[in-house]
Amino acid sequence: GEDVEQSLFLSVREGDSSVINCTYTDSSSTYLYWYKQEPGAGLQLLTYIFSNMDMKQDQRLTVLLNKKDKHLSLRIADTQTGDSAIYFCAETYSGTYKYIFGTGTRLKVLA
Amino acid sequence: DGGITQSPKYLFRKEGQNVTLSCEQNLNHDAMYWYRQDPGQGLRLIYYSQIVNDFQKGDIAEGYSVSREKKESFPLTVTSAQKNPTAFYLCASSIEGGPSETQYFGPGTRLLVL
Repeated sequence: GEDVEQSLFLSVREGDSSVINCTYTDSSSTYLYWYKQEPGAGLQLLTYIFSNMDMKQDQRLTVLLNKKDKHLSLRIADTQTGDSAIYFCAETYSGTYKYIFGTGTRLKVLA
Repeated sequence: DGGITQSPKYLFRKEGQNVTLSCEQNLNHDAMYWYRQDPGQGLRLIYYSQIVNDFQKGDIAEGYSVSREKKESFPLTVTSAQKNPTAFYLCASSIEGGPSETQYFGPGTRLLVL
């Protein structure tokens, strides 16, 4: 089935690490994406991970993939107020154009 | 600068009226997509097009129509048959529309019903 779940809200203090979680149900996923959406704006691609990888790091961002549990996470180190946004995970799988998006997690960074 | 533009930023619709949302890209991408975003929900696919003069229905196509006469343009019409059109509409594009391609998004249009 096609279902991607995320918790709706996360609040952290500036300078702390944020961890945003995502679970998906389709084990044949090929790429998994993280997008950031600032208020009133479109989605900005942050990073993606191929399904045969366990981890990907890109500056302050670390993506972890646990294929056994179908769990994806995005860790933001040294979270800043500019990181406040909605974060979406999305998956695609072999043989399709289609993206399946999660519900989005609203991250609020407290000064 | 290459990118995707959507206009207008805000659009108001009266009952029984059709409205058209614009999406233009200068990325030379073959594939374009329209999504609808509602609060607390993920994005849902309305229509997509992998090549000029061809398009396919997504998951929630009822009450919407599209055209793809030019590679760079993919307008979406919200018809009077769409009974709950208030939402944020996002256009996206990708290189060829193939499996697992990265999609690039425009800034969105917010549609409100008067």
